Amino acid sequence: ETGVTQSPTHLIKTRGQQVTLRCSSQSGHNTVSWYQQALGQGPQFIFQYYREEENGRGNFPPRFSGLQFPNYSSELNVNALELDDSALYLCASSGLEAKETQYFGPGTRLLVL
Amino acid sequence: GESVGLHLPTLSVQEGDNSIINCAYSNSASDYFIWYKQESGKGPQFIIDIRSNMDKRQGQRVTVLLNKTVKHLSLQIAATQPGDSAVYFCAEYGDSSYKLIFGSGTRLLVRP
Repeated sequence: ETGVTQSPTHLIKTRGQQVTLRCSSQSGHNTVSWYQQALGQGPQFIFQYYREEENGRGNFPPRFSGLQFPNYSSELNVNALELDDSALYLCASSGLEAKETQYFGPGTRLLVL
Repeated sequence: GESVGLHLPTLSVQEGDNSIINCAYSNSASDYFIWYKQESGKGPQFIIDIRSNMDKRQGQRVTVLLNKTVKHLSLQIAATQPGDSAVYFCAEYGDSSYKLIFGSGTRLLVRP
């Protein structure tokens, strides 16, 4: 186990709704990254947070937003949910240096109906 | 653009045999690579990593080989066990220092 936790484990929403996913990073890690993993595919980078600020972003629309808190935990918010947002959302934490190993949590499975 | 890809989507091996999972990358500037194992319903689990100043690194029953000339890396699993059954991803940092790029994965099936 990595020490990265995520909640909830599963979630069902309807199209147009909003969702908030949560992540607690591994002890000693101050950087949190979020990934979306569609069924049968590799994870796709959404964004990364470092010291409570967005440190980089992938090709996701603005309705995907995030926060990082002083204790380094993080939230991923998705507004105006679409059917294609159904996926496993993964949080990964890493340390201070650039290009460090990222350790993943168990993920949140989101189903949009 | 940059990409990391895998040659074989599914690999079936006999328990006790060695497994080799391959991965190609396109960004010649890539200098850090990670192999992850993902079991059904779980997040990716770190297996082993390698930086571009090395061409081989060994862990417990696993070895990663990096060939920068042909931009290829492989994961070798010795004495494959049923618990090794999973999807394996290679990942790299592209031109950024924060974004991991994953391939599509190889499913390893271990036959008893």
